[in-house]
Amino acid sequence: AQSVTQLGSHVSVSEGALVLLRCNYSSSVPPYLFWYVQYPNQGLQLLLKYTTGATLVKGINGFEAEFKKSETSFHLTKPSAHMSDAAEYFCAVTPTGGFKTIFGAGTRLFVKA
Amino acid sequence: DTAVSQTPKYLVTQMGNDKSIKCEQNLGHDTMYWYKQDSKKFLKIMFSYNNKELIINETVPNRFSPKSPDKAHLNLHINSLELGDSAVYFCASSPGAHTQYFGPGTRLTVL
Repeated sequence: AQSVTQLGSHVSVSEGALVLLRCNYSSSVPPYLFWYVQYPNQGLQLLLKYTTGATLVKGINGFEAEFKKSETSFHLTKPSAHMSDAAEYFCAVTPTGGFKTIFGAGTRLFVKA
Repeated sequence: DTAVSQTPKYLVTQMGNDKSIKCEQNLGHDTMYWYKQDSKKFLKIMFSYNNKELIINETVPNRFSPKSPDKAHLNLHINSLELGDSAVYFCASSPGAHTQYFGPGTRLTVL
């Protein structure tokens, strides 16, 4: 069965600092991988996704993530945090050809001025 | 124009009541979902329909019944509401098995 582990339920960074949110997955074959962001009192929206091809994917708002098959990881990074990045971030996996998406428990990002 | 819309946004009701949440998407997607997000932000899939056919039916109480009258709509009916049903319910749609587009959520509070 597939699973997603996000290390750290809370991450706090200073404005301008590097953002690193960790995600590891468990799957018998490489799945589709996603990062979603949820701002307070809103639904989730896609930040970026990996399906096939280039393992470094760029998303909206300056975020990017790298798929590392050998480490079964898909960590999310942003070089310089902005106050508006404060939100809940979810890593998710969908089996190739499947419909059921498994979400991680989420990581709350705090950005300090 | 809102891509995925849900009504109502807030729902406060007494234990034992029956309530429905409606979802509509104007993206032309074939697949729609219902998720439950608890107070700790954990997101769990409940149901999924593809072209009006139920394809995912997770272990949820049979008090919850989804209905898809057409590809653009997926409603959720809940009978005999319980305190533990209090959560935020999200509808989502996708063009197959890729990116999901989420609605704004319905916050259900059972008193």
